[in-house]
Amino acid sequence: DADVTQTPRNRITKTGKRIMLECSQTKGHDRMYWYRQDPGLGLRLIYYSFDVKDINKGEISDGYSVSRQAQAKFSLSLESAIPNQTALYFCATSESTGTGKNEQFFGPGTRLTVL
Amino acid sequence: GNSVTQMEGPVTLSEEAFLTINCTYTATGYPSLFWYVQYPGEGLQLLLKATKADDKGSNKGFEATYRKETTSFHLEKGSVQVSDSAVYFCALSDRANSKLTFGKGITLSVRP
Repeated sequence: DADVTQTPRNRITKTGKRIMLECSQTKGHDRMYWYRQDPGLGLRLIYYSFDVKDINKGEISDGYSVSRQAQAKFSLSLESAIPNQTALYFCATSESTGTGKNEQFFGPGTRLTVL
Repeated sequence: GNSVTQMEGPVTLSEEAFLTINCTYTATGYPSLFWYVQYPGEGLQLLLKATKADDKGSNKGFEATYRKETTSFHLEKGSVQVSDSAVYFCALSDRANSKLTFGKGITLSVRP
């Protein structure tokens, strides 16, 4: 079974709709991240959480919100989706040693299309 | 702030060709450096990493050396295979908060 799972894998929605993307992990990691990937732009950090009570904005948090329901679950919400939020979204996790040496483990991604 | 610059792509090579993908970075302090690979339809996975100057990361025939003097972490492989076709991302991790900063990625296509 995959260590980091994301649901749904694909979603098509309309402008103005509320969307939630979910991420679950079985790695026991404290730190979780949400990224979006756009062609030619690489991955950009939306939000990150170092534990259940610690949530931080990334470089492109406008239009997004998150919820850390438990150590293993981190959800990303688009309160009112717009077409330029069409992208591939990734969740990732890492250990919490705080040294910056640890790799992040990525989920398979959610492809979101906003019409 | 931190930044990562990768060479422009895409790159197309014949099987068994030599591969170099350039990566340079800007960061305060001493970041850790990573190469991630994304195979078609999948998430990113770590290919290799180096955590201090002059370290060499290696995996699956790929290598990269952390060069502090040139702020570079170029990826190399002596003989590419069709199965190496993927998108490659260079990234750095800030030691203060472990956030990753990614380059834009480069698509590698290897033809038989």
